[in-house]
Amino acid sequence: AQSVTQLGSHVSVSEGALVLLRCNYSSSVPPYLFWYVQYPNQGLQLLLKYTSAATLVKGINGFEAEFKKSETSFHLTKPSAHMSDAAEYFCAVQVIYNQGGKLIFGQGTELSVKP
Amino acid sequence: DSGVTQTPKHLITATGQRVTLRCSPRSGDLSVYWYQQSLDQGLQFLIQYYNGEERAKGNILERFSAQQFPDLHSELNLSSLELGDSALYFCASSPGFSANYGYTFGSGTRLTVV
Repeated sequence: AQSVTQLGSHVSVSEGALVLLRCNYSSSVPPYLFWYVQYPNQGLQLLLKYTSAATLVKGINGFEAEFKKSETSFHLTKPSAHMSDAAEYFCAVQVIYNQGGKLIFGQGTELSVKP
Repeated sequence: DSGVTQTPKHLITATGQRVTLRCSPRSGDLSVYWYQQSLDQGLQFLIQYYNGEERAKGNILERFSAQQFPDLHSELNLSSLELGDSALYFCASSPGFSANYGYTFGSGTRLTVV
């Protein structure tokens, strides 16, 4: 069964430091992978998606993620953290079934940014 | 504004009661998905509808039901509510039935059962 695992439920970085949020996937087929961000009291917003084209995917707000098949990973990075990046981040994998498809989400990583 | 509209934003109700959550998908999207988000369970998939037809069920309790109407809006009905049903309920939509390109989420309905 397809799934994603996010390593670290909380990550804290200083403003200006590198952000690295880890996601590993399990899939028997080439996966479609996603990162979403959730700000307090809001819905989830799509940051970026991997759909088997380029392995390095650029998203909004300066975030990017690299698909590494050999490591079954899809880690999210940003070179320089900003205070406004503080939020919860979710990795997700697409699951296809006979009649449709859905996204399965990881448990989330809460990012804190210290001044 | 994501284009997915959920009402109401907040709902407080008593145990044993029944509530209806409403979702209007983004214009042009035919699939609607319902998720429950809680601190202990994370984001749990409940159910998918595509163009009025149920396509998949996830961890949806028998006390919960949903439907998608001809105008594509969807309703999630929660009955015989228990304290443990308190959570954020999200609706998301996508153009097709496979979620190839991800979803667009609404801002959620926060349900508190007292």
